[in-house]
Amino acid sequence: NAGVMQNPRHLVRRRGQEARLRCSPMKGHSHVYWYRQLPEEGLKFMVYLQKENIIDESGMPKERFSAEFPKEGPSILRIQQVVRGDSAAYFCASSPQGGGVYQPQHFGDGTRLSIL
Amino acid sequence: AQRVTQPEKLLSVFKGAPVELKCNYSYSGSPELFWYVQYSRQRLQLLLRHISRESIKGFTADLNKGETSFHLKKPFAQEEDSAMYYCALSPANFGNEKLTFGTGTRLTIIP
Repeated sequence: NAGVMQNPRHLVRRRGQEARLRCSPMKGHSHVYWYRQLPEEGLKFMVYLQKENIIDESGMPKERFSAEFPKEGPSILRIQQVVRGDSAAYFCASSPQGGGVYQPQHFGDGTRLSIL
Repeated sequence: AQRVTQPEKLLSVFKGAPVELKCNYSYSGSPELFWYVQYSRQRLQLLLRHISRESIKGFTADLNKGETSFHLKKPFAQEEDSAMYYCALSPANFGNEKLTFGTGTRLTIIP
């Protein structure tokens, strides 16, 4: 099991472009979480998804950011019209179905997004 | 709102000395508390969680509800303990276990 796979590892965009970050959860995991880490800060929750459903997007900026986790394929975090302040490391985590018992989250290596 | 505070950004300890990484939290309910670790060039991984009451790599952490703390301790530091440590909180609300992280403490073990 390769673990949580994120790609690309590094992404450079110019202001105004779109950024697409992909996350493939661990095999058998149906829950995906996205976190953002700004320089010198801790990871901050953005969104929690299950297959074809957004469960909690309370940490997502209201504009330009969207996330999906389709029935087939990876979860995608999409940032439209990027600005310099979007430069950060974006981490994805996955966990199996809770089933009433806490399941720890497994993290990917992250995508480092740089905005020129 | 929930918050996790790690007051030390950097901590240096001599090999063989005791280690304590501080973590305080604020949350109105009963939280789940965790310590995550990131070794150099590796991904973030779970070190331990309070409900397990276990010792991992010699580390322990006790949840003190009165002081709202979850400090990470090890009696004798080893060089391989050098890493970034994050304290994290999750509401004990099965079905949405989103984590709130502290800003992290970089632990350096001096040989």
